[in-house]
Amino acid sequence: EDQVTQSPEALRLQEGESSSLNCSYTVSGLRGLFWYRQDPGKGPEFLFTLYSAGEEKEKERLKATLTKKESFLHITAPKPEDSATYLCAVQANFGNEKLTFGTGTRLTIIP
Amino acid sequence: KAGVTQTPRYLIKTRGQQVTLSCSPISGHRSVSWYQQTPGQGLQFLFEYFSETQRNKGNFPGRFSGRQFSNSRSEMNVSTLELGDSALYLCASSPNPLAGMIGELFFGEGSRLTVL
Repeated sequence: EDQVTQSPEALRLQEGESSSLNCSYTVSGLRGLFWYRQDPGKGPEFLFTLYSAGEEKEKERLKATLTKKESFLHITAPKPEDSATYLCAVQANFGNEKLTFGTGTRLTIIP
Repeated sequence: KAGVTQTPRYLIKTRGQQVTLSCSPISGHRSVSWYQQTPGQGLQFLFEYFSETQRNKGNFPGRFSGRQFSNSRSEMNVSTLELGDSALYLCASSPNPLAGMIGELFFGEGSRLTVL
């Protein structure tokens, strides 16, 4: 069974204090790993797709990286508007149309 | 371009009742997925439809069912509601250009169901 574990569950940072969120996964053949952002009362919003180990993607203050067992979401010099829950998900095996999500990391950036 | 629209946004039901939730995907998107989100379990996959066919189903009891119409709009139904069915039900659409490749999902804001 595919599994995704995210850590930490919650993270509080001062504005400008860089850090990383972790996503560990076990899947029977990785098709893609996805990062989403979810604000309170909203549906998740897509951020990145990573397909193979060594791949990196960047968007503003966020950078996602992928190894064979885990992914990291690095946040550099965060701002209060980066506060949200960050979700990691995997799609396994060609032809399987579901995503398996982790429970997320709730990130709070303090001004 | 309009996003994914889910109705109703909030609803309260009692145990034993049934509920139908509706989802209108982004225009041109043919794949619609449903997820249940609870604080303890996170997002859990319910089912996915493409061209009116259910391609995958998650590990939920038969009380949970869905369908997709020819215009790609989708509905999900939960019969004989239980207290544990209280959750945020999220619908997501995808253009699905390649078979089996979900890729980027566009989520609606969800329907929050409370079962009393």
